[in-house]
Amino acid sequence: EDQVTQSPEALRLQEGESSSLNCSYTVSGLRGLFWYRQDPGKGPEFLFTLYSAGEEKEKERLKATLTKKESFLHITAPKPEDSATYLCAVQSENTGFQKLVFGTGTRLLVSP
Amino acid sequence: NAGVTQTPKFQVLKTGQSMTLQCAQDMNHEYMSWYRQDPGMGLRLIHYSVGAGITDQGEVPNGYNVSRSTTEDFPLRLLSAAPSQTSVYFCASSSTIRELFFGEGSRLTVL
Repeated sequence: EDQVTQSPEALRLQEGESSSLNCSYTVSGLRGLFWYRQDPGKGPEFLFTLYSAGEEKEKERLKATLTKKESFLHITAPKPEDSATYLCAVQSENTGFQKLVFGTGTRLLVSP
Repeated sequence: NAGVTQTPKFQVLKTGQSMTLQCAQDMNHEYMSWYRQDPGMGLRLIHYSVGAGITDQGEVPNGYNVSRSTTEDFPLRLLSAAPSQTSVYFCASSSTIRELFFGEGSRLTVL
């Protein structure tokens, strides 16, 4: 069974204090790994897709990396507006292209 | 261009009542799906559709029906609401699975 585990559940940072969020996954054949951002009371917003180990994607203060067992979302010099829940999801070759399996997310709070 | 629009945003039902959550997208996406989000659990796929007239079950389909008569609309029907269906429901659409566009959610409480 495909599984996604995100850690930590919650993370509190000071503005400018860099850190990383972890997404560990178990799938039988990874087709893609996805990062989404979700603000309170809103739907998730797409950030990145990673397809193969060693791949990296960047967007402003965020950088996502991928290994064969996990993905990291690195946040460099975060600002209060980066506060949100970050969701990781995987797409398996076995379950078909239509289905994503999501983790429970990491709630990030960045204080000024 | 509104993206994915869900209605209603909030709804309270009594056990046994039925209702329909509406979802419409204006991006001409073939793929649409419904997820539910519960505390401590990841988003879970209820039903999905890969085009008009084609639907299939996701991970947690029991108690829900869907149909897709047009590309734009993908309503989710609760047949006989139960307290276990209290949740936040998200509709999503995509031209490919790789970038889902989500609506803002419908918060449902079943008493």
